[in-house]
Amino acid sequence: GENVEQHPSTLSVQEGDSAVIKCTYSDSASNYFPWYKQELGKRPQLIIDIRSNVGEKKDQRIAVTLNKTAKHFSLHITETQPEDSAVYFCAASRGRVSWGKLQFGAGTQVVVTP
Amino acid sequence: GAVVSQHPSRVICKSGTSVKIECRSLDFQATTMFWYRQFPKKSLMLMATSNEGSKATYEQGVEKDKFLINHASLTLSTLTVTSAHPEDSSFYICSAREGYPVADTQYFGPGTRLTVL
Repeated sequence: GENVEQHPSTLSVQEGDSAVIKCTYSDSASNYFPWYKQELGKRPQLIIDIRSNVGEKKDQRIAVTLNKTAKHFSLHITETQPEDSAVYFCAASRGRVSWGKLQFGAGTQVVVTP
Repeated sequence: GAVVSQHPSRVICKSGTSVKIECRSLDFQATTMFWYRQFPKKSLMLMATSNEGSKATYEQGVEKDKFLINHASLTLSTLTVTSAHPEDSSFYICSAREGYPVADTQYFGPGTRLTVL
């Protein structure tokens, strides 16, 4: 089955700096890669996703890159703000062939200090 | 984005009792719903995949007789924790996935905090 590894487990950044979280996956059939943000005690919220036919996607301060050959994808947050502090999860899916089942990474605790 | 509700948000029960958790997609039809369990400071652990009108598919190590899942309609799935014990205490979260053509995105419910005394 799919295995998703996520690094780092914790990330402390100064407000205004950039944050980068990296994930690798094992199943070459995976074709959908979402990123979720979860605040303490709250639901995971989808912040950005990318499909395997695209190498990069950007939404304001957030961007995701995908390298299918190396089987890794990364989340980039620029100009970080205190409200970006949360746990971020990457995930991978084989899409409809597996009912859209997601395999999650272990999560990254991001702390943005003012 | 699409909205998924979950009820109750918090439940405390005595050991040996059963607890039912509801997951609803409010503004879309969910062909597939998923149930996760999350331990403190840990990732989401998939328990089962539920397709409307079909039996749920459970992940390895998840007792299907312990965690009963019903997906009776395109907007409602339920998880019943039977004969709950303290080790079943956890944060349970559901997610719902729209059908074709937007077949990939999963939207999560707010979660249910279960405490078994």
